[in-house]
Amino acid sequence: NAGVMQNPRHLVRRRGQEARLRCSPMKGHSHVYWYRQLPEEGLKFMVYLQKENIIDESGMPKERFSAEFPKEGPSILRIQQVVRGDSAAYFCASSPSPQTGLTGELFFGEGSRLTVL
Amino acid sequence: GENVEQHPSTLSVQEGDSAVIKCTYSDSASNYFPWYKQELGKGPQLIIDIRSNVGEKKDQRIAVTLNKTAKHFSLHITETQPEDSAVYFCAASKVGSGTYKYIFGTGTRLKVLA
Repeated sequence: NAGVMQNPRHLVRRRGQEARLRCSPMKGHSHVYWYRQLPEEGLKFMVYLQKENIIDESGMPKERFSAEFPKEGPSILRIQQVVRGDSAAYFCASSPSPQTGLTGELFFGEGSRLTVL
Repeated sequence: GENVEQHPSTLSVQEGDSAVIKCTYSDSASNYFPWYKQELGKGPQLIIDIRSNVGEKKDQRIAVTLNKTAKHFSLHITETQPEDSAVYFCAASKVGSGTYKYIFGTGTRLKVLA
C-alpha cells in the first residue's frame, strides 16, 4: 500500500549540472503533478501530466526544465544547467483520473530536496 | 490569474486554545478547498476538505467553513496540542474541470506553546 514515492530525497548538484527527480504515483493513479517549494514559501504548481502526455505545463519555467511521464516507469522532472535559484523542495502528487475520481484529493510524496552549490 | 491569499503567516497559541487560519480565493469557479498540514521535512498531508455545496465541515478538533459569496474559507482547530505545530496550507481547485490542479496559499506556521 505504498504512497507516492519520490527519489532521491536529497540531491546536491553544482551549478551547470543536471538534476533528475523521479516520482512513482500511488497504485492505481494515472495522473502526476509537480510542485516546487522554495524555502519558507508555499507550493507553486509546475506541471500536470498523465501517461505519455503533458496536460498543463503553465507553471514550468520556459528554459532548462522539462517533465515526462512515460508509459512505463516513473515521472521525471529534469532540470538542466542548474543554478542556485533552483535550490528548493520539489514535491510530486498523484491522483486518479479526474474523470473517474470521487474526490479532488491529491496525494503528496515526501519531496526531493535539491541543493545547488 | 488565479490566486489564494492566506493569513496569518505565523500564529502562536497556548496549548488548549483555538487557532483560526483564513484564506481568500479569486476564481469563483473553484469548488473544492482542501487543507494540508506539512511537518518539518515531510510532504503535505490532507487534514480536511470542503466542497462548494457545503458551508461547514467538522472532523473532531478540526473544522472548515466556507463563504462562497465572499470567497473566503477558514480552518479552525480547537483544543490545540503541541503536535498540531506545523505549517498549514489552504488550496483551491476546480474538481470536475478535468484537473486536480491546486492553487495553494502561502502557508501559516502554527506554533502551539506547551
